Amino acid sequence: GAGVSQSPSNKVTEKGKDVELRCDPISGHTALYWYRQSLGQGLEFLIYFQGNSAPDKSGLPSDRFSAERTGGSVSTLTIQRTQQEDSAVYLCASSPGGNIQYFGAGTRLSVL
Amino acid sequence: DAKTTQPNSMESNEEEPVHLPCNHSTISGTDYIHWYRQLPSQGPEYVIHGLTSNVNNRMASLAIAEDRKSSTLILHRATLRDAAVYYCEKTSYDKVIFGPGTSLSVIP
Repeated sequence: GAGVSQSPSNKVTEKGKDVELRCDPISGHTALYWYRQSLGQGLEFLIYFQGNSAPDKSGLPSDRFSAERTGGSVSTLTIQRTQQEDSAVYLCASSPGGNIQYFGAGTRLSVL
Repeated sequence: DAKTTQPNSMESNEEEPVHLPCNHSTISGTDYIHWYRQLPSQGPEYVIHGLTSNVNNRMASLAIAEDRKSSTLILHRATLRDAAVYYCEKTSYDKVIFGPGTSLSVIP
């Protein structure tokens, strides 16, 4: 079956622009996660959705970052006024019950 | 999370067992321990998970300390395809905490 799909796979943007990253989870998975992975680093947890709600948004690095999930399915991560330090791979994962996570291939964001 | 620690790197000879440790000193009683691995330019892939008892699956074994403050991922016979970064992870309430990862090199 289809896995977690993220788009775009690569995004190059100019400093100060807004970007939207999309995640299509595996059908039927109720939990959805966003992570950031800087070059050569580990996974930084950003936010978790159970259904459409995110109980804790404190993992988001700044108020320029926001995320939403609609219909218990697709999620978008929005970064406003991008900065060079936002350059990273953004990974999405989904889970049928908040346990085992299935990851997408990620979106590589480069801010020039 | 500074309290979830893993060695930065490890090496193993092909066909030999590998023990990858993780310390998660702040784990609570209901936190599951998961292990994932990540190949270059790919998203992480689930390996194994457990709560209190040791676990085995087709990929690996997981040994969990009695106090649950540490765990060890065991690859019984390392192959070249096992070269990856291995992450331990615990989920606390609505946060997921990954360790810094161990880069495993397998020598032919």
